Amino acid sequence: DIQMTQSPPSLSASVGDRVTITCQASQDIRNYLNWFQQKPGKAPKLLIYDALNLETGVPSRFSGSGSGTHFTFTINSLQPEDIATYYCQHYDNFPFTFGQGTKLEIK
Amino acid sequence: EVQLSESGGDLVQPGGSLRLSCAASGFTFSNYAMNWVRQVPGKGLEWVSGIIGRGTLTYYADSVKGRFTISRDNSKNTVYLQMNSLRAEDTAVYYCVNDPGSRVVSGAFHIWGQGTVVTVSS
Repeated sequence: DIQMTQSPPSLSASVGDRVTITCQASQDIRNYLNWFQQKPGKAPKLLIYDALNLETGVPSRFSGSGSGTHFTFTINSLQPEDIATYYCQHYDNFPFTFGQGTKLEIK
Repeated sequence: EVQLSESGGDLVQPGGSLRLSCAASGFTFSNYAMNWVRQVPGKGLEWVSGIIGRGTLTYYADSVKGRFTISRDNSKNTVYLQMNSLRAEDTAVYYCVNDPGSRVVSGAFHIWGQGTVVTVSS
C-alpha cells in the first residue's frame, strides 16, 4: 500500500497568513492526488484534484502543486472560516489512502 | 444538486451484520462509480470499497475483504454496503462518495454524503 505522510500534524496561524501543508507519497503517484477540508461534524469537502486543479466553487486562495512523490497545499491569506482539518489522498492505485491530516487553528 | 444520503447505521454486537444504504440524486447514477469511506471518530479516513457504474466490478480494502459486500441498484439510484462479522474496529462514520469513473473506480472522490454511524459493541 502507498503511505501518505502529511506534515505538520497541526498548525497555528494568524488571519492573513500564508499556510503550507506538505504530503509525501511512499512511491510515485504521478498527479493522482486530492486535497480535502473537513470541519468538525461534517463530511470532507474536495478542494483540489489532480494535485493542482481547483474544484468548482472553491476560493482561489487555495492552491496545490507537486507531482510524483512530493505535494504541497497552500492557503494564501488565511481566513477564519478556513479552520478545519486538511487531508491529502492518493488515487493512483488500490487501495486509495489518505494522509493523517493537518489540524489548522487560528492564533 | 448532487446529493447523497446514507442510512442504516446502528449499534450492533460483535459478530453481527448490518446493511448500509446510500440514496443518490441530482446526477445520472449509473454513469458514476461509487465508494464507501469510513472514519473512526477523531481519527483519519479509510477507503473501504468501490463499485463501477454497471455494478459488475467491485474493490475492497484488505481490512474488510471477505466480510463486506458492496452492491448497487441503478433502478433505485442506491448503493449498499452489506457488513458481516462486524468487529469493534469497524466502529466508524461511514460515508458514501461518488466517483467520476464509470467503467472504473477512479478514486477521484468528489461528492460525499453526510455519513452514517456504525457502532460495534457488546
